Amino acid sequence: NAGVTQTPKFQVLKTGQSMTLQCAQDMNHNSMYWYRQDPGMGLRLIYYSASEGTTDKGEVPNGYNVSRLNKREFSLRLESAAPSQTSVYFCASNQGRSRSYEQYFGPGTRLTVT
Amino acid sequence: EDQVTQSPEALRLQEGESSSLNCSYTVSGLRGLFWYRQDPGKGPEFLFTLYSAGEEKEKERLKATLTKKESFLHITAPKPEDSATYLCAVQERGGNYGGSQGNLIFGKGTKLSVKP
Repeated sequence: NAGVTQTPKFQVLKTGQSMTLQCAQDMNHNSMYWYRQDPGMGLRLIYYSASEGTTDKGEVPNGYNVSRLNKREFSLRLESAAPSQTSVYFCASNQGRSRSYEQYFGPGTRLTVT
Repeated sequence: EDQVTQSPEALRLQEGESSSLNCSYTVSGLRGLFWYRQDPGKGPEFLFTLYSAGEEKEKERLKATLTKKESFLHITAPKPEDSATYLCAVQERGGNYGGSQGNLIFGKGTKLSVKP
C-alpha cells in the first residue's frame, strides 16, 4: 500500500516549456487535490476533483490544467511554464464523505522554472 | 484576511520543555479541524482530526484540543525528533471553492525546533 505517489520528484523547466505532473493513489479515495506550497504562503489549492469525472478550480488555478484520468490518477499540466510557477507541488486524496475528510499527501514535486 | 492563523511562526524548545502551538480560525461554521506534521522535503503527514469544541485527541507526546475559535497542539516533554513544521487546516460547513465538502483551508504553519 503505497498511499499517494507523485512523479517526478524534481524538475527544472525553461520559461514557456510544458510538463505534466502525475499523481496516483491506491486507497480507493473519491477526491483528489493539487496544492502548491511557497515560503510564507502555506498550502494553496490549485484544482480538485471531488469524484471521478469532475474537476473544479481552487484558489490559484491560473496557468494550470488538470485531468482526472480514472479514480486512481489525477494529473496537473503546465502548458507554458513561468518563473512564478516555481514551487513545490503536492497531490492529496481523501474519501470525501462520511466524516473522513482528512487528506493524505504525496511526497511532492519540486519544480524550478528558469 | 487569513481564515486560519497559526502562532507562533517559529518555536525553539529545549528537550523536555513542554509548550503549545495555537491555531485560530474564523470560518463561519466548522466541519472539522486537522493537524499535520511536515518534515523538510516531505509531504504533510496527517496527525489528528477534531470535530467539536471540547474534543481532545492524543498521540505519544502530542495532544490536540479544540474550542469554538481555536485549537491548541500541546507538546509534552518534546524530543529532538519532534522537530518539524506543524500545519493546521479547517474544513468549513457547506464547503468552499464551489461547495466541495472535502476542501481544507491551511494555515502557514509553526516551525518547531527541539534542541537536545
